[in-house]
Amino acid sequence: EAGVAQSPRYKIIEKRQSVAFWCNPISGHATLYWYQQILGQGPKLLIQFQNNGVVDDSQLPKDRFSAERLKGVDSTLKIQPAKLEDSAVYLCASSSDGSNTGELFFGEGSRLTVL
Amino acid sequence: SQQGEEDPQALSIQEGENATMNCSYKTSINNLQWYRQNSGRGLVHLILIRSNEREKHSGRLRVTLDTSKKSSSLLITASRAADTASYFCATDAVDYKLSFGAGTTVTVRA
Repeated sequence: EAGVAQSPRYKIIEKRQSVAFWCNPISGHATLYWYQQILGQGPKLLIQFQNNGVVDDSQLPKDRFSAERLKGVDSTLKIQPAKLEDSAVYLCASSSDGSNTGELFFGEGSRLTVL
Repeated sequence: SQQGEEDPQALSIQEGENATMNCSYKTSINNLQWYRQNSGRGLVHLILIRSNEREKHSGRLRVTLDTSKKSSSLLITASRAADTASYFCATDAVDYKLSFGAGTTVTVRA
């Protein structure tokens, strides 16, 4: 079974530029999550999708971050304009259980460096 | 704010020794999960323990949960070099939001 796919693995941009990350979850997983992990910290939930609907985006900085999950499969996370403090690893995860009580399957992450 | 906090922040042990790390949380939970993250990689699920369970085993892993103390422990027995990683606890509280702690970094010396 293929795992969660993310791209790009690494991205370096200047502040105020834009960047987009892509995620393809495990086939059949209805729930998709985007987490931000700053160096030395645990993952922090940015947004959760159930199929193509948003379940929770309370911690998403909506003035600069946006995410979509068209057709309830792939998802993209965009940052525009980027700030220095956005330097982090962006992790995508999926689960077959939408209740947040089950196992999450994570991708390898996309490491963003903002200069 | 993070619901769970791991202790210690870092742990260095000799290969073959046991590693124990703890997770404390603030509010009542439905279940608690432990994840492992190797350097530069994503998180991998290790074990889930429900609020009505007190102990669970999986291979060389043993997890305990004490809901009265709002704490959990993860024991890795007979550690190997491949166990070098960061370990995170994740709790889902009454609002069912999964919250991760800051992690314990474990280094296993050969």
